[in-house]
Amino acid sequence: DVKVTQSSRYLVKRTGEKVFLECVQDMDHENMFWYRQDPGLGLRLIYFSYDVKMKEKGDIPEGYSVSREKKERFSLILESASTNQTSMYLCASSNRETRPPEQFFGPGTRLTVL
Amino acid sequence: AQTVTQSQPEMSVQEAETVTLSCTYDTSENNYYLFWYKQPPSRQMILVIRQEAYKQQNATENRFSVNFQKAAKSFSLKISDSQLGDTAMYFCAFMKQWGQGAQKLVFGQGTRLTINP
Repeated sequence: DVKVTQSSRYLVKRTGEKVFLECVQDMDHENMFWYRQDPGLGLRLIYFSYDVKMKEKGDIPEGYSVSREKKERFSLILESASTNQTSMYLCASSNRETRPPEQFFGPGTRLTVL
Repeated sequence: AQTVTQSQPEMSVQEAETVTLSCTYDTSENNYYLFWYKQPPSRQMILVIRQEAYKQQNATENRFSVNFQKAAKSFSLKISDSQLGDTAMYFCAFMKQWGQGAQKLVFGQGTRLTINP
């Protein structure tokens, strides 16, 4: 079974702190994604990566950056956390060649910024 | 840009009943995929069912089936003989098949489904 893990289930940070959210997948997937989930808005794509050291902005990249130094690991960075970044963050991965493609999700990190 | 709309924020049915969740989408693409994902309370999101737009036959997975109406841009999910374990948030999602933006999912707002004993 594909396994996508995220470093924390719950995280509480202060405004202005630098925050790292880590995601690891064990199925050698090329694609990895970061979403945020908010009530009434569904999931919105922040960033995605289709290969090591490659990244593309999603629909809401402002205030975020990412890092992918190894194929299995994709990190989301909040350079200076703000209260409007309080949300659930979901990581996902997928095999680029599979048709139709399926994204596999991690358990999520619920981040609260005070 | 593609958009996905789920017009039912919450639904509630009795166990063993059949329930249909609605989803509409907007796209100018001809080739794409559609998905329903399920997110149980405090558990990971999992894929329920998927449909390739070029296939006219509606996808089915055990108790789950879809009604795909390409011309109407509608993709509803039917759950038959509902069970308590079907209680979850359900998301409809769209993915382009080719070109810029392929491999990315566009999600609807979600429908919170509660199955009552």
